[in-house]
Amino acid sequence: SQTIHQWPATLVQPVGSPLSLECTVEGTSNPNLYWYRQAAGRGLQLLFYSVGIGQISSEVPQNLSASRPQDRQFILSSKKLLLSDSDFYLCAWSGGQATGELFFGEGSRLTVL
Amino acid sequence: AQKITQTQPGMFVQEKEAVTLDCTYDTSDPSYGLFWYKQPSSGEMIFLIYQGSYDQQNATEGRYSLNFQKARKSANLVISASQLGDSAMYFCAMRAINTGNQFYFGTGTSLTVIP
Repeated sequence: SQTIHQWPATLVQPVGSPLSLECTVEGTSNPNLYWYRQAAGRGLQLLFYSVGIGQISSEVPQNLSASRPQDRQFILSSKKLLLSDSDFYLCAWSGGQATGELFFGEGSRLTVL
Repeated sequence: AQKITQTQPGMFVQEKEAVTLDCTYDTSDPSYGLFWYKQPSSGEMIFLIYQGSYDQQNATEGRYSLNFQKARKSANLVISASQLGDSAMYFCAMRAINTGNQFYFGTGTSLTVIP
């Protein structure tokens, strides 16, 4: 069966420090991969999505970037974190199912101090 | 442009009663899929139910059913026999062929089940 994992679950970082959130999918090949951002009590904002290795589409300008170095690996990064980057980040994948639903990772809560 | 609207920020329901969570959508694409997700306080997003734009019948999954009214562009989620564990945020989402692989989410509805 397919599984998705993202880590770390919780991260507290100082302003100006770098960020790396990692997401991996198991049990499938060539998934579509997504990074979403969610403010407390709010909806999901699509940050990046990828249909293949090295293929990244960005939805909104951010202090963040994404990379897909391997087929089932998706990384969310920042060179210098801002206070406004504090949020809940969710990785997700889709592909292969007839209905095409998204499957989400556990989420990563980032606090920038 | 694709758009999902959930107009109920918060809802309350008595345990064992049914509740309807509203969702309207806007798309010019004739082929699309509609999804509902549950997000408990732990933060994980849980897929509940799917409705395709060409499906003739309303989708059902256990206690969840989707009231799909295509002409009105609405896809309301009905939860029957509410349980305390149903207390969570609920999100409606849409994916349309013309937008490729992008999913668009509503702002969510917070459901509280009262014992």
